[in-house]
Amino acid sequence: KAGVTQTPRYLIKTRGQQVTLSCSPISGHRSVSWYQQTPGQGLQFLFEYFSETQRNKGNFPGRFSGRQFSNSRSEMNVSTLELGDSALYLCASSLPGTGHTEAFFGQGTRLTVV
Amino acid sequence: GQQVMQIPQYQHVQEGEDFTTYCNSSTTLSNIQWYKQRPGGHPVFLIQLVKSGEVKKQKRLTFQFGEAKKNSSLHITATQTTDVGTYFCAPNDYKLSFGAGTTVTVRA
Repeated sequence: KAGVTQTPRYLIKTRGQQVTLSCSPISGHRSVSWYQQTPGQGLQFLFEYFSETQRNKGNFPGRFSGRQFSNSRSEMNVSTLELGDSALYLCASSLPGTGHTEAFFGQGTRLTVV
Repeated sequence: GQQVMQIPQYQHVQEGEDFTTYCNSSTTLSNIQWYKQRPGGHPVFLIQLVKSGEVKKQKRLTFQFGEAKKNSSLHITATQTTDVGTYFCAPNDYKLSFGAGTTVTVRA
């Protein structure tokens, strides 16, 4: 079956702009989580969506937001981009359950803010 | 912040040798997952440990969950070049809280 698909793979934006990233989970997976990966901070949890509702949120400013659609596809938006937002943004999907299920990651979107 | 600490941060291994990476928490964990990320790739699930003292093996990889469920380890025997990458431990309580990872390089 198809894996987790993230688009676009690469993106260059200017400071102050906004960006929207997309994630299509594995068919049947209703939980989608987003992570930011940087060399200095490692893998940081952004938020998790389940059945179109944000179920968990990490410690990121309000400029970072997301949503999930009825088909479980998810988008995350970053407004007023800063240079420090340059990172690999990873999306992961998993089956609904108690939370103790494996996460399947997409290839990520490499965002560069200049 | 990160719930778990991983040591060492970097591991340089001679091909054929064994090594162990550790994952430590100050609190009791309900479970721990391990992921591997190859250079330029994305994290890939390796294993999940749930029970106190649990030991699981995958070929040359041995995963262990401590008796107190506060630490875990990954031991790799006879390291190969295919073992290159970063190994993350992550407690999963509706969200994964990744450790900083152990980045492994292999000398042929």
